[in-house]
Amino acid sequence: NAGVMQNPRHLVRRRGQEARLRCSPMKGHSHVYWYRQLPEEGLKFMVYLQKENIIDESGMPKERFSAEFPKEGPSILRIQQVVRGDSAAYFCASSPAGQAGNTIYFGEGSWLTVV
Amino acid sequence: QKEVEQNSGPLSVPEGAIASLNCTYSDRGSQSFFWYRQYSGKSPELIMFIYSNGDKEDGRFTAQLNKASQYVSLLIRDSQPSDSATYLCAVEDGGFKTIFGAGTRLFVKA
Repeated sequence: NAGVMQNPRHLVRRRGQEARLRCSPMKGHSHVYWYRQLPEEGLKFMVYLQKENIIDESGMPKERFSAEFPKEGPSILRIQQVVRGDSAAYFCASSPAGQAGNTIYFGEGSWLTVV
Repeated sequence: QKEVEQNSGPLSVPEGAIASLNCTYSDRGSQSFFWYRQYSGKSPELIMFIYSNGDKEDGRFTAQLNKASQYVSLLIRDSQPSDSATYLCAVEDGGFKTIFGAGTRLFVKA
């Protein structure tokens, strides 16, 4: 019974490159959430998606960041032209549906290091 | 701006003692509340969720909710060194989005 799968687990990018982080939700889950955690800080909400639809992207930086959850395949968080401040752990979580009381379950995270 | 506030700690308790972790939230419309545990370098792991005022117990853990005071707490009885971690309070904001506090670091001394 696979949980939320994220890859890559660790990613190193040079400044100006692109980073792509992938997330496959738990079986039976149709909603995906992305969070960012800077070193020694809490989890910051970035975006909430369901298949082919962005529900809430209020936590996404206005530039360079985008997310999608296509009909087929994993959700992808894309960071263009990375800067050192993008270095963080990016956690994906999923839930069965977007309704009150739904518990979200986390993947193991993708650690991005920008050098 | 909806917020979830926690004391960052560290909170240090001796082994076998009760650890008490507290959290306040700003959105009166919040209906669902969660506690997650996060070990260093790992992902958050759900410990408890609570929806109704009062107490909810699960093993050594008790979650307490007071909606009038907008206050959630987590009690850990018989604390063990393996409980040493960061505890994240989380609140569903009514828009199906879960907001996290910054976490409280707990150290249980053997």
